[in-house]
Amino acid sequence: GESVGLHLPTLSVQEGDNSIINCAYSNSASDYFIWYKQESGKGPQFIIDIRSNMDKRQGQRVTVLLNKTVKHLSLQIAATQPGDSAVYFCAENNRGGSEKLVFGKGTKLTVNP
Amino acid sequence: DSGVTQTPKHLITATGQRVTLRCSPRSGDLSVYWYQQSLDQGLQFLIQYYNGEERAKGNILERFSAQQFPDLHSELNLSSLELGDSALYFCASNTLGVKDTEAFFGQGTRLTVV
Repeated sequence: GESVGLHLPTLSVQEGDNSIINCAYSNSASDYFIWYKQESGKGPQFIIDIRSNMDKRQGQRVTVLLNKTVKHLSLQIAATQPGDSAVYFCAENNRGGSEKLVFGKGTKLTVNP
Repeated sequence: DSGVTQTPKHLITATGQRVTLRCSPRSGDLSVYWYQQSLDQGLQFLIQYYNGEERAKGNILERFSAQQFPDLHSELNLSSLELGDSALYFCASNTLGVKDTEAFFGQGTRLTVV
């Protein structure tokens, strides 16, 4: 069945370091992936997305890597800042199926000053 | 600010009661999604409406129902509430459906059933 999960529930980094958050998915038919950031008391906020015809996509300080062979997704945050502290979710969708997003349980990123 | 508005922000009610959560999507968005977020289940898709019609259904209980009105706002109705229904309920919207673009989430309604 469909499932998206995250390898680590928590990640603690020093300010200025790079962060890598990982995600595994099991639905080989998934072809669209999104990373969301959720701060305390707020709704999920879009960070970056990637389609399955790409291996890498870069945004401002963020990079998403997709490895379809092992069904793995990662989010890299460069020069992590205290404002990056949040829970990060990966979500996947099979565009040939329903339009729902399947979310992982999330990784809590803590940035230490 | 995502442009998606949810009301109320907080709701406390007793078991067995019925509540209605409201969502106003971003201007121009035709698709509305409802998600439930609990500590042990993460973000679970409940239901999607597109331009007034039900488009997709997820793990939504029979005690729950939703609708989307002609002005595109949506309501999620939760009845015969149980303690386990306590959760954050999020609404999200986008224009063409999530297959084409990301969904924008509201701030959520925190439901506490006592």
